[in-house]
Order: sequence, then structure tokens, then C-alpha cells
Amino acid sequence: DAKTTQPTSMDCAEGRAANLPCNHSTISGNEYVYWYRQIHSQGPQYIIHGLKNNETNEMASLIITEDRKSSTLILPHATLRDTAVYYCMLNAGGTSYGKLTFGQGTILTVHP
Amino acid sequence: GAGVSQTPSNKVTEKGKYVELRCDPISGHTALYWYRQSLGQGPEFLIYFQGTGAADDSGLPNDRFFAVRPEGSVSTLKIQRTERGDSAVYLCASSPTRATDTQYFGPGTRLTVL
Repeated sequence: DAKTTQPTSMDCAEGRAANLPCNHSTISGNEYVYWYRQIHSQGPQYIIHGLKNNETNEMASLIITEDRKSSTLILPHATLRDTAVYYCMLNAGGTSYGKLTFGQGTILTVHP
Repeated sequence: GAGVSQTPSNKVTEKGKYVELRCDPISGHTALYWYRQSLGQGPEFLIYFQGTGAADDSGLPNDRFFAVRPEGSVSTLKIQRTERGDSAVYLCASSPTRATDTQYFGPGTRLTVL
């Protein structure tokens, strides 16, 4: 399976943009990039996903490079409640039946 | 609307006992997933249901683990002869129809095997 690599941890000041990178150099053409986050002691929460175009919703923006080998999740104005583990994953459906392969993720800490 | 619910939220059992963990998916969602999360790790896939049938059970660690979804809604994860290594948070997720639909997770059941 194609895999992703993310930094282990990142810090961000409250009110500033948090930019979380993800490398997926072996991504297949039919694989979507998905981002979830997990706040302590809760289940993972869906954030955003995309195939090749940049995407934006009420939570975040997703920037995918033209070659699709990497992407960046942007939280435009981070708050203390955004402190969580952020997971970047690939999901193609088909033979993978949509199962998500979580890695270690990035621990984002938002400071006052 | 109501999200995915899981019961119990916490379960403490003794080594060798049998346990059942329940998942109520979002109403109308046909796809259901079970994951297991050990301390300090990301969730690991266990099994995926499409409707009543298990479409992919490749993540179940051994034959002590079994899951059912008899009517295509509620699912039960069953663990026989529990071992201390089974201690983890068991997460359930559902999605509307297809495997590539967004998965919505429940809060999990924390299982502790003494």
C-alpha cells in the first residue's frame, strides 16, 4: 500500500495559520488524500479530502502538489482546541475497501 | 443528527473472559468499520462491513476476534478468551455507501484486560 510520512510534532501560536505537511510519493492515480484528527480521548474526526485539486471547507484547506506526491493541510487561524494528532492518509476504495491506514500522525500543539 | 455510538464506553474484564462491544452506526450508513487503537499508536483496521456481510476481515488479529452485523445496522465485535494484549480502544466508524465515502468515528470503547 502507498504510505504517507508526516513530521512527528509541530507547534503553532494561537491565531496563526498551522501548515501540516504530508509526503505520499508513491500515491496511485485513484487514491484520495484524506486528513483526520484525533483530540485526546476522542474518536478520529474527518477534516477534509481531495484527489488532485485544492479543497477548502469550514475547517481547513488542503493543498495538493501538481505531481500529487505531497500535500499540506492548512488551519487558517489555529485555536487551542485544534491541539490534536493529525493523520494524513490515502484511500482508494476498490480492493482496499476504504480501510484507512493510520500512521503515527503529527502532534500539533497550539500555544496561547 | 446522532453520530456513531459505542457501548460500553469502558469495559474491564479478566484474562480468559469473553466480551462483546457494540456499535450503532449513523442511520442509513451501509458501510461499517472496526479499528483498534493501542496506547500511543494510530488506529489499526480490523474489519469492514458492507451491509450485512464482512467485505474485508483481513485486520482481525486471530480467530479469537469475530464481528457480526446481522441486520446491516448495529454491529458487535466479539472477543473470546481475552488476553492482556487485547487491551486497547476499539473504534467503530460508518460511512454512507461506498468505501471511499468519509468515515465518521464513534468515541470508542476502552477495553482493559486484567
